[in-house]
Amino acid sequence: QSALTQPASVSGSPGQSITISCTGTSSDVGGYNYVSWYQHHPGKAPKLMIYDVSKWPSGVSNRFSGSKSGNTASLTISGLQAEDEADYYCSSYTSSNTYVFGTGTKVTVL
Amino acid sequence: EVQLVESGGGLVQSGGSLRLSCAASGFTFSNNWMSWVRQAPGKGLEWVANIKQDGSEKYYVDSVKGRFTASRDNAKNSLYLQMNSLRVEDTAVYYCARVSGAARQDYWGQGTLVTVSS
Repeated sequence: QSALTQPASVSGSPGQSITISCTGTSSDVGGYNYVSWYQHHPGKAPKLMIYDVSKWPSGVSNRFSGSKSGNTASLTISGLQAEDEADYYCSSYTSSNTYVFGTGTKVTVL
Repeated sequence: EVQLVESGGGLVQSGGSLRLSCAASGFTFSNNWMSWVRQAPGKGLEWVANIKQDGSEKYYVDSVKGRFTASRDNAKNSLYLQMNSLRVEDTAVYYCARVSGAARQDYWGQGTLVTVSS
């Protein structure tokens, strides 16, 4: 049950696009289309941003998009805004009927 | 409106026990799997446990197996996490979350802090 690998930090200027990667194995990311992405502001409840690799929950901006290739999933934030500054985590269902989260990525808006 | 409110956190000595609760409202609690997720200070999110709608299936992260037990009372719309043999490394904010669809935690509580001292 090793954590999925994410870059520690990603930054961009307002209006730019950034992409966060999430690398796992064939037992989690690569084996299922059950990758989710969460936005987490410190001290607040995490918020679901993308589920089932590329689907949007109701109320989430389509500036956020998800994709997957092999054992690596990605979250792209387009038109970066100041309020997007937060920690982002990927999560995947696994072959053991469990879940595993990513190591987390701090997004900074320059 | 879906609401999840955790309680029961606090300071406990290593080797001690604590029981967390999560009160759910705004949805039919008995229809959903539920999760516990934690975040240690300065660390990332870690999935801890899942429990099926009727409590008949439970899954745990390896580090808590045999020490933590998830349970639920659908009549009270409540989720629980009994934590025994607590270790310093169990210090974290513990969140409860609703599981929807095949595999996503779509609503989360604000969390409750558990501090285990040596």
